[in-house]
Amino acid sequence: DSGVTQTPKHLITATGQRVTLRCSPRSGDLSVYWYQQSLDQGLQFLIQYYNGEERAKGNILERFSAQQFPDLHSELNLSSLELGDSALYFCASSVGQKANYGYTFGSGTRLTVV
Amino acid sequence: GESVGLHLPTLSVQEGDNSIINCAYSNSASDYFIWYKQESGKGPQFIIDIRSNMDKRQGQRVTVLLNKTVKHLSLQIAATQPGDSAVYFCAENEDTGRRALTFGSGTRLQVQP
Repeated sequence: DSGVTQTPKHLITATGQRVTLRCSPRSGDLSVYWYQQSLDQGLQFLIQYYNGEERAKGNILERFSAQQFPDLHSELNLSSLELGDSALYFCASSVGQKANYGYTFGSGTRLTVV
Repeated sequence: GESVGLHLPTLSVQEGDNSIINCAYSNSASDYFIWYKQESGKGPQFIIDIRSNMDKRQGQRVTVLLNKTVKHLSLQIAATQPGDSAVYFCAENEDTGRRALTFGSGTRLQVQP
């Protein structure tokens, strides 16, 4: 167990729907990062939050949004889902704002859009 | 299994042999590098890291080599075991500027018993 908790583990939903993925960071970590892992793209950075504030943005679609709550858990909201959004979504956490000590990943949420 | 189904280059080795997994990066400003291992159904797991002021770093059965001149990173696994079968990713970051790790495309290591 890495200490980073992601729920749900699996999610199957229809096109056009909206889902919320949840992540609880490792105890003591203030940063949360979201990554998408799909067939053709490998691990793509979506967004980072640090202590409740957005810190960095990657290739995140406008249909996707995220937030980090006062208790430091984070949610990734995916709306108007398309077939191409089917992927593994990983959350990672780190102590500081920067990734230059690496970070710890959760076990992911597998999203299937049908 | 919970394979990510990535279309990856595959390295197949015999149990007990040494494995070398390579990674090229493009950002000359990158100064921190990590190797991650991803087993089927799991998230990436930290293996070893190296900073740009070093050329080599050793861990338990693993060695990372960094060649900044040609922007190349390698992971050497000694006496490869079936439990080493996984997808291996290199990741890089620069101390200033970007705050998120950028991952390479990955290599699948298959260990034949």
